Amino acid sequence: DIVMTQTPLSLSVTPGQPASISCKSSQSLLHSDRKTYLYWYLQKPGQSPQLLIYEVSNRFSGVPDRFSGSGSGTDFTLKISRVEAEDVGVYYCMQSIQLPLYSFGQGTKLEIK
Amino acid sequence: EVQLVQSGAEVKKPGATVKISCKVSGYTFTDYYMHWVQQAPGKGLEWMGLVDPEDGETVYAEKFQGRVTITADTSTDTTYMELSSLRSEDAAVYYCATTSGYPFDYWGQGTLVTVSS
Repeated sequence: DIVMTQTPLSLSVTPGQPASISCKSSQSLLHSDRKTYLYWYLQKPGQSPQLLIYEVSNRFSGVPDRFSGSGSGTDFTLKISRVEAEDVGVYYCMQSIQLPLYSFGQGTKLEIK
Repeated sequence: EVQLVQSGAEVKKPGATVKISCKVSGYTFTDYYMHWVQQAPGKGLEWMGLVDPEDGETVYAEKFQGRVTITADTSTDTTYMELSSLRSEDAAVYYCATTSGYPFDYWGQGTLVTVSS
């Protein structure tokens, strides 16, 4: 099974400052179809998770452009260019290359200073 | 608009079985897989399994194999997740989610299951 490891597990950011979350997979997420099956989700307090980024770097519908994803192979990063109060919550990375099995990272809690 | 509406909170005794529903609207139910995800209190997300509503085929995570049953009723556009032999560590919020374009692009509101004697 593919293990997803996120760092840090928590971070506290001043509004307007950038934030970065790392996600490492135990195996490459690059498929033979040349797509990389890495996704990012945000679970705001008291809400269901929501899809932010698909296939490493593509923002899902309605996601602000201050969110960006990058990486390849086994190392990935989610960046928020300027954190806003509404960005608080827990961020999860997830892999789907090992279909039909899916696995999430442990989550990274973002708080506002 | 895609909507996934789950059934309400449940309180069960250890050893019992819980069955949660998730009614879908806004797209053709048989077009996409339906998933179930567990979130224990203060913990992360754990994928439990999926059903293909078109043919009823299922895949389960090893952790839940043998105790979980996921089904789909195409007459009501509803998916069900049944978890048996409940124990304290099964107390969690359970989410349904679909893969209409990308994995887990739409989620239900969650159903809280409490396991208590």
